[in-house]
This record gives sequence, C-alpha cells and structure tokens, in this order.
Amino acid sequence: EAQVTQNPRYLITVTGKKLTVTCSQNMNHEYMSWYRQDPGLGLRQIYYSMNVEVTDKGDVPEGYKVSRKEKRNFPLILESPSPNQTSLYFCASSRNYAGMSSGYTFGSGTRLTVV
Amino acid sequence: KQEVTQIPAALSVPEGENLVLNCSFTDSAIYNLQWFRQDPGKGLTSLLLIQSSQREQTSGRLNASLDKSSGRSTLYIAASQPGDSATYLCAVVSGGYQKVTFGTGTKLQVIP
Repeated sequence: EAQVTQNPRYLITVTGKKLTVTCSQNMNHEYMSWYRQDPGLGLRQIYYSMNVEVTDKGDVPEGYKVSRKEKRNFPLILESPSPNQTSLYFCASSRNYAGMSSGYTFGSGTRLTVV
Repeated sequence: KQEVTQIPAALSVPEGENLVLNCSFTDSAIYNLQWFRQDPGKGLTSLLLIQSSQREQTSGRLNASLDKSSGRSTLYIAASQPGDSATYLCAVVSGGYQKVTFGTGTKLQVIP
C-alpha cells in the first residue's frame, strides 16, 4: 500500500531532551515536507526537501533540523525541544516539487507534547 | 504573500443536504489547488486536485471548481451523509518558489 509512515504517533517529552520523529514513504517520491498544525493557525511548513541531500526552510524552521540521506526517509529532529513546539506534526510527500502534478500524500501525524 | 481563507470556519447541516465549502486566495498566480479531508486526530486525505488550467474536478459526490481570476474555489458535496463529517482544507501551490499554502479549514458536521 502506498503510504507515508510517521513514528511515533504520540510522544511526551521534557524540555531540552533531543528527539527525532521519523518519516518514510514507499512511493519513490522526490518531494517531502514537514508541517505543524496548531489551532487557529492551520498547517505551517517547517522544512521541505526536493530530493536527496536537498533541503530548505519553510515558514517556521526555528528549533528544527532535517536530513534527507535517502529518498524514502525524511526525519525531523528537535535538538532542544521547548513547550512552544507542542503541536501536531505531519509529514507529506509528492511525486515532484510541491505536489504540482499529483498532489500530496500525508502521514497520520505525530502528536508531540513538550513539558 | 499568498493567503488562503476558508469561510465558514464551521458548518452544521442535516443529512441529505447539498452544501458548498469556500476557499479564497489572494494571489491568483497558482499552479494548482487541492482539497483535503481531515478526521479528528488523523492525517489529511486528498479529495481533489485541480490544476491551474482546469475549471473543475469531480469525484463521486464531490465537485470542486476553480476560478483563478477571482481567487476562489468551491467544494460542492451532494447529498451529504454523517460520514462526511470532518474538517475540509484547501491548499494552493503558488509563487516563484512554488510554495504550498493551506487554509485553516471548515469543520463540517452532518446531522443524521
């Protein structure tokens, strides 16, 4: 089944403890992206990647890191999480840049709570 | 900067009604527009994708239209069902860097 898989689904952590949220897609998509979703603010892009070893900042990159060493994986790293990073996070992928021809496929989300 | 607005923020209708959800955007130079459905605590499911050269797309009871010149898209849902209850989001790809911008969504409740 074609899908985007995120792990974990739920995570509670303490301020300052480094964490990684994994994202993997099995569709050979070139483009991958991370979003956070907050009430009243909608979905905001954190980082995106056009292909292996090519990443760029979205609208809200502060406090996050990403890497794209393989085409299928795009992990999101929080080096020193803070409570304002408590949010619902989504990974998405598309066949090509920004879903221009085929649209996006989203993962099921990771609900992160930083205390 | 592209801004995407969805009005109303919430909508409640009785089962069987036809309904229209609205999406407006400020920059008409878009590449495409996509409608999604999001169930509580879940990811986004793609419903319809309209390329900039298209006027509408249909899938089952859903029909999405696009009017670039006026910066508007509508999602028409025919004969609504309780299972249609969800939040509906639109997203546009626009700008020189082909950025994706999401609306904040319309929360739909279909009452049996």
